Amino acid sequence: AQSVTQLGSHVSVSEGALVLLRCNYSSSVPPYLFWYVQYPNQGLQLLLKYTSAATLVKGINGFEAEFKKSETSFHLTKPSAHMSDAAEYFCAVRTNNNDMRFGAGTRLTVKP
Amino acid sequence: NAGVTQTPKFQVLKTGQSMTLQCAQDMNHNSMYWYRQDPGMGLRLIYYSASEGTTDKGEVPNGYNVSRLNKREFSLRLESAAPSQTSVYFCASSEPPRGDYGYTFGSGTRLTVV
Repeated sequence: AQSVTQLGSHVSVSEGALVLLRCNYSSSVPPYLFWYVQYPNQGLQLLLKYTSAATLVKGINGFEAEFKKSETSFHLTKPSAHMSDAAEYFCAVRTNNNDMRFGAGTRLTVKP
Repeated sequence: NAGVTQTPKFQVLKTGQSMTLQCAQDMNHNSMYWYRQDPGMGLRLIYYSASEGTTDKGEVPNGYNVSRLNKREFSLRLESAAPSQTSVYFCASSEPPRGDYGYTFGSGTRLTVV
């Protein structure tokens, strides 16, 4: 069964620093992978998705993620953090049943 | 605005009470889902409906029932609420012809069972 594991429940960076949020997947078939962001007291919003068209995927708000099959990873990055990026981020994989399995989430804190 | 609407936004129940969480989407999506979100556990699937007229259990269905009333609406019912059901509940919808569509989420229902 498909699953994802997010490494690090909390990540703290300074404003302007690189953001790196880690996600590893487990899947016996080519996966569909997603990153979502959740701001306080809101639902989840789709940041970006990997559907095998290109290994480097660009999303909203300057985020991007690279699919690496050899490392079974789909890490989320942003070159320069903004205060507005503070939120919780979820990696997810689409299953064979067409539902979504989510990681436990990583809370990003951005320090001024 | 098009999207997924959940009601109510907040609810406090006493143990043993029942309630129904409502969800409606106006994007003509075939598939709808109910998740619960608990700290440190991400989102876990309770039930889903791949299309109108069908429902299936997810990871954590015990204590819940669902109804796909029509293509737009998918409700979640707690027959006898328990403190373990204190959580934030999210409804989502998608159109998965090839499995590459992400979900559109509602804004959630924060439920407390005392």
